[in-house]
Amino acid sequence: DAGVTQSPTHLIKTRGQQVTLRCSPKSGHDTVSWYQQALGQGPQFIFQYYEEEERQRGNFPDRFSGHQFPNYSSELNVNALLLGDSALYLCASSSKTGRFTDTQYFGPGTRLTVL
Amino acid sequence: DAKTTQPNSMESNEEEPVHLPCNHSTISGTDYIHWYRQLPSQGPEYVIHGLTSNVNNRMASLAIAEDRKSSTLILHRATLRDAAVYYCILRDPLNQAGTALIFGKGTTLSVSS
Repeated sequence: DAGVTQSPTHLIKTRGQQVTLRCSPKSGHDTVSWYQQALGQGPQFIFQYYEEEERQRGNFPDRFSGHQFPNYSSELNVNALLLGDSALYLCASSSKTGRFTDTQYFGPGTRLTVL
Repeated sequence: DAKTTQPNSMESNEEEPVHLPCNHSTISGTDYIHWYRQLPSQGPEYVIHGLTSNVNNRMASLAIAEDRKSSTLILHRATLRDAAVYYCILRDPLNQAGTALIFGKGTTLSVSS
């Protein structure tokens, strides 16, 4: 049973560019959350998707947007990249039904470097 | 979500027990206490959670104070693989706003052989 997968593993972009990160949830999970983790800090919640809609959002600007597809996979898009967007981006999946409710399973992350 | 306080770092020797403390004095009656850990170069992973009673699983034990204002994650025999950042997080499953995890800085556990 594959866990949460993310692609790509590493990415280098320049300021002002746009980036798309991808996430496939753990089998049986229907909810995807995205987190940003700067070096030396704990992960910070960006947003959460369920039933193809954004259900909860953290304190991140509109440059950060997302999408969830019918197969529950998700994308994180960041426009107009800033140097401060350099971080590890983590995807987590969970289930709003069944006995796995509320436990989140994380992927290995995508390391984004903005030059 | 209520806030938690953890020591920045702790050290342990291999095969010794480790007690990782967490203070959460403003915990509400419906908050569950969750622990996640993040091994180097990996995403966080779920360790254990509880509400009022002490909990055990194959990874660890969770001891919850009677007044629920503090808890302790117990690793019974630390191994080198347990070196990680440990996060104590409060979660209210009835929170209609969603199920986001609010991470602090956690406790960095070092294990020596």
